[in-house]
Order: sequence, then C-alpha cells, then structure tokens
Amino acid sequence: GQQVMQIPQYQHVQEGEDFTTYCNSSTTLSNIQWYKQRPGGHPVFLIQLVKSGEVKKQKRLTFQFGEAKKNSSLHITATQTTDVGTYFCAGSKAAGNKLTFGGGTRVLVKP
Amino acid sequence: DSGVTQTPKHLITATGQRVTLRCSPRSGDLSVYWYQQSLDQGLQFLIQYYNGEERAKGNILERFSAQQFPDLHSELNLSSLELGDSALYFCASSARLGGETQYFGPGTRLLVL
Repeated sequence: GQQVMQIPQYQHVQEGEDFTTYCNSSTTLSNIQWYKQRPGGHPVFLIQLVKSGEVKKQKRLTFQFGEAKKNSSLHITATQTTDVGTYFCAGSKAAGNKLTFGGGTRVLVKP
Repeated sequence: DSGVTQTPKHLITATGQRVTLRCSPRSGDLSVYWYQQSLDQGLQFLIQYYNGEERAKGNILERFSAQQFPDLHSELNLSSLELGDSALYFCASSARLGGETQYFGPGTRLLVL
C-alpha cells in the first residue's frame, strides 16, 4: 500500500535559525497537504499543493511539491517559538482516495 | 474552531470495559475519519465512512467498530479495552469521498487503567 515517510522525526532548532523537513511518498501523488499540530492540540490544515514543482509561501513557511509529485518539503525561516509542534504531510494518489499521513516531524525550538 | 465536535473530551475507564466515542462532522461534510494517536506518535488511520457507508479501513482492531448514522454523526466503539488502547482519538471530516482537506475535531483522550 501507499506509504508516506517524513524526515527527520525530530527537529531541534535554535530560535532564529532555518530548517527544512521532508516528505516522501512511495507512489506518485495527485496532491499533498501539510498539517500542523500544536502541543495538546489537534492537526490543523496548512496548505495543499497540486501541481508538479509547485511552490507556495505562507509568511516564513515555504512549501514545495517535487517535480515527480512523489516528495515535498517544508522550509521554515527564522524559526520562532510559535513554530513548535508536529508537522504532518499527507498525500492522496487520486481524487476520491483517502489521504495517507506521514509520521510527522516534531519541532522543538530552543530560545 | 474546525466545526468538528467530539465527545467526551476525556474518558477514564478500566481494562475489559467498552466505551463509545462520538463525532459530529462539519456541516455539509459527508466523510468521517477516525484516527488513533498514542503518546508522541503519529496519526494511525482507523476507518473512514462516507455518507453512511464504510469507505476505507486502516489498522483498526477487531475489538473496535464504528458506524455513521443518517444524520452523518459517527461513533467509534472500543471494547475489551486494554492498557495499550490509551491514546488520543481524533475524528476528522471532509466534504466528499477523500483526498480533500480534512478538518479535525479536538479529540477524545482515553485512559485505560
């Protein structure tokens, strides 16, 4: 079955630094979504990417969908304590297919 | 507020017992998903219902069952509970069959003693 892997599992970042987390699928995806779960909270939708090579930005967050539509990345610049949480990617093989979530990257920010 | 509601928020019970978790999806959403999240773990997909019918099944134990009612709310039944069933159970909803944005409820935290 479809597998979605995220690396790293944990990311310790110094406040103010940049980092990137990666998402890789075993199959080609029709779309990829990113979610953020704050500590003690529930996953919240951040963004969806659909086109090959697509890049979208949300303030300090940059999301990219790979050319082959099998991988994605999330880059955060100038990390802040508000970025703490777990970031999940989730992909779907086709419209109407369920989303498969990756294992998440847990981000801890050192002030 | 995602528009998805879950009750109860917290549940403490004993091994061997049975509990029912309830979820009301966002207005207009036809799909409901159930996930299990153990401490500091990822989201384990359990099951999806679409418009009252089972649509997809994940790693759901035989002791667990779910259903979606005509008003589209869903219930997850957990029976013969074990210590390892202690976890956060999330319900999510989406507009259609799948692949689109999922909106998560606040979760039910289950503690089995």
